[in-house]
Amino acid sequence: AQKVTQAQTEISVVEKEDVTLDCVYETRDTTYYLFWYKQPPSGELVFLIRRNSFDEQNEISGRYSWNFQKSTSSFNFTITASQVVDSAVYFCALYRQGAQKLVFGQGTRLTINP
Amino acid sequence: GAVVSQHPSWVICKSGTSVKIECRSLDFQATTMFWYRQFPKQSLMLMATSNEGSKATYEQGVEKDKFLINHASLTLSTLTVTSAHPEDSSFYICSARGWDRANEKLFFGSGTQLSVL
Repeated sequence: AQKVTQAQTEISVVEKEDVTLDCVYETRDTTYYLFWYKQPPSGELVFLIRRNSFDEQNEISGRYSWNFQKSTSSFNFTITASQVVDSAVYFCALYRQGAQKLVFGQGTRLTINP
Repeated sequence: GAVVSQHPSWVICKSGTSVKIECRSLDFQATTMFWYRQFPKQSLMLMATSNEGSKATYEQGVEKDKFLINHASLTLSTLTVTSAHPEDSSFYICSARGWDRANEKLFFGSGTQLSVL
């Protein structure tokens, strides 16, 4: 069975702090994709990153960085120098190409306080 | 601009009526569309997967006669909530999957907030 676990339900930090959102996944597939999405209060899902199972290179995009480690089945997301606009719910998701399903984690509500 | 358009953004209806939500892929052909439901402060739960021209595949526990899904073209899928009840009030989000020049794309609509009175 496939499963995505985001153990942190809520995180609250002060602006400019670095924050890491954890994501652990379970799957028996060898080919899969991992995603991170941001859901601001307005509700729409904002795509942040997609990583396929064969690419373990870490990625940095501005203040955002992702650490993918297949050995621990983790795909963690770090925001450096957080800003109030980063406040949102962040979802990690797993896509199984064979099953054509995207399974979401429970989400982490991130609050950045000024 | 948005690549998946979902309409309406919000809808209020009376109990017993039916509501149709549209999901359109704007710049690619969506071979597969997904419909999700999200209750307040909860995660997105997959309701069904639809492939163009085929019947939708529903997740366990989702009533197919209540949540009618039509995917008649490569750019449009609709979700109809039939005989809506207050417990159907939720945030519904569609997602479209397709290929564009060998690149797989998966994008989400902006969601529809349904409130059943």
